[in-house]
Amino acid sequence: DSGVTQTPKHLITATGQRVTLRCSPRSGDLSVYWYQQSLDQGLQFLIQYYNGEERAKGNILERFSAQQFPDLHSELNLSSLELGDSALYFCASSVGGGAATNEKLFFGSGTQLSVL
Amino acid sequence: DAKTTQPNSMESNEEEPVHLPCNHSTISGTDYIHWYRQLPSQGPEYVIHGLTSNVNNRMASLAIAEDRKSSTLILHRATLRDAAVYYCILRFADNYGQNFVFGPGTRLSVLP
Repeated sequence: DSGVTQTPKHLITATGQRVTLRCSPRSGDLSVYWYQQSLDQGLQFLIQYYNGEERAKGNILERFSAQQFPDLHSELNLSSLELGDSALYFCASSVGGGAATNEKLFFGSGTQLSVL
Repeated sequence: DAKTTQPNSMESNEEEPVHLPCNHSTISGTDYIHWYRQLPSQGPEYVIHGLTSNVNNRMASLAIAEDRKSSTLILHRATLRDAAVYYCILRFADNYGQNFVFGPGTRLSVLP
């Protein structure tokens, strides 16, 4: 158990809909990272938040947004869903802001999103 | 983009050592080499990391070439539970924090 909690584990929805994925980092970790993993794209970094502020941005679509709340949990909002958004979405956390090159990431078990 | 190169897949027999190679010819002096693995239906998990010297922990050993342009993850005795995708990653520093960039990794199959 990594200590990172993601909910829900599975989500089935229709095209055009909006969903919210939730992540609780390990106790004491200030950074949250979101990744998307699909069969053809591998593990793609989406975005990182550190202590409530956006720290780094990757290949995140404009239809997607995220935020980190004062209690450090994070939510990833996916809107106007398309079939191609079906994927595993992982959240990870780390203790610092990610600037330390020896810092480790701890991953949750993911949310499987199926868009029908 | 990922700055590491790994074989797409490798196979090993159970109870035998496994050497998973990684090339990172553009590594800079302050880049750490990290290894993660992803077991089926799970999120990636940390395995080991190092800078210049070889490193050992309970999961594996990391051998780093003297010029640091390559490294090898060593599983001393592969078990069926070690079947996973192994990712070699460079952690580089920048002023805005950084992200882990995962390449396709090496899919390790362990044969009984």
